Amino acid sequence: GQNIDQPTEMTATEGAIVQINCTYQTSGFNGLFWYQQHAGEAPTFLSYNVLDGLEEKGRFSSFLSRSKGYSYLLLKELQMKDSASYLCAVGNSNYQLIWGAGTKLIIKP
Amino acid sequence: ETGVTQTPRHLVMGMTNKKSLKCEQHLGHNAMYWYKQSAKKPLELMFVYNFKEQTENNSVPSRFSPECPNSSHLFLHLHTLQPEDSALYLCASSQDSLALGTQYFGPGTRLLVL
Repeated sequence: GQNIDQPTEMTATEGAIVQINCTYQTSGFNGLFWYQQHAGEAPTFLSYNVLDGLEEKGRFSSFLSRSKGYSYLLLKELQMKDSASYLCAVGNSNYQLIWGAGTKLIIKP
Repeated sequence: ETGVTQTPRHLVMGMTNKKSLKCEQHLGHNAMYWYKQSAKKPLELMFVYNFKEQTENNSVPSRFSPECPNSSHLFLHLHTLQPEDSALYLCASSQDSLALGTQYFGPGTRLLVL
């Protein structure tokens, strides 16, 4: 079967750094996406990795290791507005997105 | 604003009712999607339309009936639903469903079936 695993919930402190991990097993690989979803709102695109390595975009970075079936999203200088769910999704060989259940990130002052 | 709108935002219906969800995208995309999102579960892909043609039906019960009159509009017709169908229904669009690109989501319709 195909599945995406990510922690259900994480807590971090404002101003700190947090790393949200995602492991995947899919039939083929055509890229990995991270989305952010605030409560009651639409998921919004954060990042896309198709090659191994780190992609940096401001306070957010995403890393991919295809050989390990592993990715992480790194959030630096956390702000209260970063409290949200973070969804990991992988494109399989049929160009379908396989989604994780999401990680709810709670930021405390 | 993501360029994808959905109405209604909230819907309560009985198991014998018939209702429709509407989605509209203003991004010039050719692919549109319906997803079901339940608490603490992964997004479940329901239907995919590419250039108005249905390309994916992910074993969805027939009580859910999609309609795509053009590339900008997508409907989900609901009838004789069950309480377990209560969830957030998300619409999304992308440039083309055959090329894995970024999907843009609407805010969703929160559905409660009594």
